[in-house]
Amino acid sequence: GENVEQHPSTLSVQEGDSAVIKCTYSDSASNYFPWYKQELGKRPQLIIDIRSNVGEKKDQRIAVTLNKTAKHFSLHITETQPEDSAVYFCALEGGGKLIFGQGTELSVKP
Amino acid sequence: GAVVSQHPSWVICKSGTSVKIECRSLDFQATTMFWYRQFPKQSLMLMATSNEGSKATYEQGVEKDKFLINHASLTLSTLTVTSAHPEDSSFYICSALQGGSSSYNEQFFGPGTRLTVL
Repeated sequence: GENVEQHPSTLSVQEGDSAVIKCTYSDSASNYFPWYKQELGKRPQLIIDIRSNVGEKKDQRIAVTLNKTAKHFSLHITETQPEDSAVYFCALEGGGKLIFGQGTELSVKP
Repeated sequence: GAVVSQHPSWVICKSGTSVKIECRSLDFQATTMFWYRQFPKQSLMLMATSNEGSKATYEQGVEKDKFLINHASLTLSTLTVTSAHPEDSSFYICSALQGGSSSYNEQFFGPGTRLTVL
């Protein structure tokens, strides 16, 4: 079945620096790629998503890039703040359901 | 915005008992609902897909007789963990899909239910 590999598993940055998380996948039929932020004990929150007909999407400090040929998509967070600290999950739609990456624990140090 | 609720938010039960978790879409009709399980420091693992009025589709390795799913209306799905054991202790999260579009729609997640089996 479809598999999503997410890296890195942990990421520590200084406040103000950028953070990049990357996911690779195998099924070329996927057309929807969301990113979620999850704080401890809470629900995943959609922070940005991208569909296969575009290569990049930006929303303030958050951007996502998609390379369908290479089958990878990345989350970019600029000017990180301590409140960005959380676990981030990439996902993709496959067979009518979401398949999640393993997660990245982001820590932003003040 | 689309809101999904879950009840209860946490539950503690004795080994061997059954626990029912409710998932409701509050302001939209959910043609499809999903149930996930999340162990500490792990990702969300899909357990089953639930369509209103039909039997749920379970993922490989998920026991359908142990995790009973009912989707009786367009706003309510329930997950019953039967004969719970300590290894069933986990964070259970539902999500709802709002239908009506040819493209894949955003899943709206519930707040999760923390189950602890003693």
